[in-house]
Amino acid sequence: DTGVSQNPRHKITKRGQNVTFRCDPISEHNRLYWYRQTLGQGPEFLTYFQNEAQLEKSRLLSDRFSAERPKGSFSTLEIQRTEQGDSAMYLCASSLADGELFFGEGSRLTVL
Amino acid sequence: AQSVTQLDSQVPVFEEAPVELRCNYSSSVSVYLFWYVQYPNQGLQLLLKYLSGSTLVKGINGFEAEFNKSQTSFHLRKPSVHISDTAEYFCAARRGSQGNLIFGKGTKLSVKP
Repeated sequence: DTGVSQNPRHKITKRGQNVTFRCDPISEHNRLYWYRQTLGQGPEFLTYFQNEAQLEKSRLLSDRFSAERPKGSFSTLEIQRTEQGDSAMYLCASSLADGELFFGEGSRLTVL
Repeated sequence: AQSVTQLDSQVPVFEEAPVELRCNYSSSVSVYLFWYVQYPNQGLQLLLKYLSGSTLVKGINGFEAEFNKSQTSFHLRKPSVHISDTAEYFCAARRGSQGNLIFGKGTKLSVKP
């Protein structure tokens, strides 16, 4: 499968714990995006990278959230001191420059 | 700020009937417009996109959309739906080629036999 891969697909954690999600984009894609989707809402933009550079961050990305793409390939999204409001589906997408975004199947986070 | 409004949260329709899912955008600058589909437990898949040129855009699975600049709309249509079209549909806009995608809240299409 050469699509966008995300793991874990599901994560249940207790409030206050840290969690990390990983995204492996389509190999030749230089752009990588993170979105968050909650029930009844469309995906909301969090941040995006061009190669290893983080070019834009949404106001939704509080200081408890950090994203990295150290070698311009895979990316991680870490949430520190999780809160119940962080429960959502975290979506990753990749693209070639300004081309079509290809989405992964998402990582669902449940904070108890 | 740019925004995307999907006017219907749920659209029930019978199989083989036509359907229109409505989308309006707000932007004072040129935008690129997209429709994505999300089947249960799957990722978002691009249905079609408008970048420039002809205002009628054809996509996969028999869907099409028409860009209407004067009404700032990009409604999605299909002349005859199938049970397999049951899914959630998202309209999205992008300002130019460099910006990120802004999504609407989605419309759940439910096709009944």
